[in-house]
Amino acid sequence: GALVYQYPRRTICKSGTSMRMECQAVGFQATSVAWYRQSPQKTFELIALSTVNSAIKYEQNFTQEKFPISHPNLSFSSMTVLNAYLEDRGLYLCGARGDERLFFGHGTKLSVL
Amino acid sequence: QQKVQQSPESLSVPEGGMASLNCTSSDRNFQYFWWYRQHSGEGPKALMSIFSDGDKKEGRFTAHLNKASLHVSLHIRDSQPSDSALYFCAASSFNKLTFGAGTRLAVCP
Repeated sequence: GALVYQYPRRTICKSGTSMRMECQAVGFQATSVAWYRQSPQKTFELIALSTVNSAIKYEQNFTQEKFPISHPNLSFSSMTVLNAYLEDRGLYLCGARGDERLFFGHGTKLSVL
Repeated sequence: QQKVQQSPESLSVPEGGMASLNCTSSDRNFQYFWWYRQHSGEGPKALMSIFSDGDKKEGRFTAHLNKASLHVSLHIRDSQPSDSALYFCAASSFNKLTFGAGTRLAVCP
């Protein structure tokens, strides 16, 4: 079956520091990867949509300078949250597209002290 | 205004009952709709998609789409305690998925 692994599952970082999260698609080839942030209130924000060998498209209010994404192949993507502050808290979800649907991992929960 | 609006915010149904969740979009660029379910501590999992007018049934789950009004619903018959979760409606346009704010369903034994 199609699975998406994300790691770490949770992380705590000091305000102003950075953290990297990784996403691995298993059992299928992900034609694209969408990174979302789910707020503590459970609402979703799309950060960026990444397709292998194409430019990564960031949504309004999200930039490559703050959330650099690497997507080297059809099964792996990573995103870094640079200079994390309180407003960056949330559950970061990687959605890998396969078979016309987005498969999500468990997410990486980011807490900022 | 959110492009995908869901109602109600929360819903409680007895075990074996019918749960009905609603979703309305304000953007006619959306090509099809998904329902996702998220249990506590997990990522969302796709339940079903619908892009044609009318009903689509998968087991205990039935989705209904009215393209004219951009309204989609999800009906869960014979609800089970394991159905208790957050349910998200998501609309798809140009390879991008936009989520609603979710409906929290509680199925009481």
